[in-house]
Amino acid sequence: ELKVEQNPLFLSMQEGKNYTIYCNYSTTSDRLYWYRQDPGKSLESLFVLLSNGAVKQEGRLMASLDTKARLSTLHITAAVHDLSATYFCAVDIGSGGGADGLTFGKGTHLIIQP
Amino acid sequence: EPEVTQTPSHQVTQMGQEVILRCVPISNHLYFYWYRQILGQKVEFLVSFYNNEISEKSEIFDDQFSVERPDGSNFTLKIRSTKLEDSAMYFCASSGSVGGVKFSYNEQFFGPGTRLTVL
Repeated sequence: ELKVEQNPLFLSMQEGKNYTIYCNYSTTSDRLYWYRQDPGKSLESLFVLLSNGAVKQEGRLMASLDTKARLSTLHITAAVHDLSATYFCAVDIGSGGGADGLTFGKGTHLIIQP
Repeated sequence: EPEVTQTPSHQVTQMGQEVILRCVPISNHLYFYWYRQILGQKVEFLVSFYNNEISEKSEIFDDQFSVERPDGSNFTLKIRSTKLEDSAMYFCASSGSVGGVKFSYNEQFFGPGTRLTVL
C-alpha cells in the first residue's frame, strides 16, 4: 500500500523567512503533484513533477522531485501572508494512461504571520 | 478558464437516505474522479471513470456507492443509504483531453466540492 508522508503537518512562520515542506512516499513513482487548499475551498494545482530531478518554480514557491529518494520538497522563499494555506502532495503510481487515483499526504497547514 | 463545477454546494440528509452529488467536468476531459475529505483530514480517492465505466476504485468505494455519466456533461456520485461517517466534503475532478492519445501524466482539476452532512 502506498504511503505518502508530509512533514511538518503544521508550520507557523514569519513573513520574509524561508522554509521547506517535505513529502516522502513509499512506492516507486515519477509523477508527483502539489496542491494548495485554502480553508473551505477546493484544491488548486500548483506543480506537476514528472521525472527525477524535476524542478518547477512559480513565484515564491519551488518544487523538486528526487525519485530515487522518493522525496519531493516544496520550498518557500521570503514567505508572504498570502501563502498561508494547506499544501498537499499527491502521488500517482498508475500506468500513466490516465484515470489513476492520486494518493494524498495529510497536508501541511502553513500559517505565515506578519 | 474552464473549470469543474459541482452541485449542490451543501447537502444535508438523514441517515439511511440516498443522495446524489452532481459534477460537470471540464468539457474536453476524458477522465473523471471522486474524492472525499473528512473534516480536517487528508483527501482520499474514491473512484475514477473513463469511457463510461469505472477504471479504478478504492476500498472506500463499496456497494453503497455508484457513479454514472447520464449524459454528455454530468458525472454523478450516488450514495444509496447514507451513514453518519459519510459526512465529508466530496470533490469531483477531471483530467486529460480529447485526442485519443495516452497521456504521460494525470494533472487533475478539482471542483469546489459538495459538503455532505448526514444527521
